[in-house]
Amino acid sequence: GAGVSQSPSNKVTEKGKDVELRCDPISGHTALYWYRQSLGQGLEFLIYFQGNSAPDKSGLPSDRFSAERTGGSVSTLTIQRTQQEDSAVYLCASSPDRSRSYNEQFFGPGTRLTVL
Amino acid sequence: EDQVTQSPEALRLQEGESSSLNCSYTVSGLRGLFWYRQDPGKGPEFLFTLYSAGEEKEKERLKATLTKKESFLHITAPKPEDSATYLCAVASLGNQFYFGTGTSLTVIP
Repeated sequence: GAGVSQSPSNKVTEKGKDVELRCDPISGHTALYWYRQSLGQGLEFLIYFQGNSAPDKSGLPSDRFSAERTGGSVSTLTIQRTQQEDSAVYLCASSPDRSRSYNEQFFGPGTRLTVL
Repeated sequence: EDQVTQSPEALRLQEGESSSLNCSYTVSGLRGLFWYRQDPGKGPEFLFTLYSAGEEKEKERLKATLTKKESFLHITAPKPEDSATYLCAVASLGNQFYFGTGTSLTVIP
């Protein structure tokens, strides 16, 4: 079956512009995660959606970052007024998490964001 | 403080030379420990989940083990196609995921 897809695969933008990154999770997966991966760094948790519950936004680095998930499926991560330090690979993952126990996450290929 | 530490940062092996990667963790209640493989320019690919100390999982040349403080990923007779970055992650009782920075493995023919 289809895996997690993300678009665009690459995004180059100018400092101060807004960007939107899209994630299509695996069909039927109720949990969706966004991470940021900078060169030489581990994955940095950003936000977590689980079904219809309020999202866990504890990892968002500033109020310039926001995310939404429509209809329990597609998610969009928005970065407003981008800064050069926002340059990174943004990874989305989904998980068949239907309970409080944890399942493995399946990752998309990522969006490489470059802020000039 | 919850954290995950992986060692070594980088490892070079000759083809056929077995070795182990380490993932040590401190977390307020372990709900699961995960191993991933990441190739350059791609997202992490799931390998294993371990839930309790003493548990072991195997897949081809890879074997993952878990104790109360650490996990090992054993690579037996590696091949060049095993070259990748291997990531470890833990899920805590606080519903958080913590990833290590990975071990970059290079297998030389």
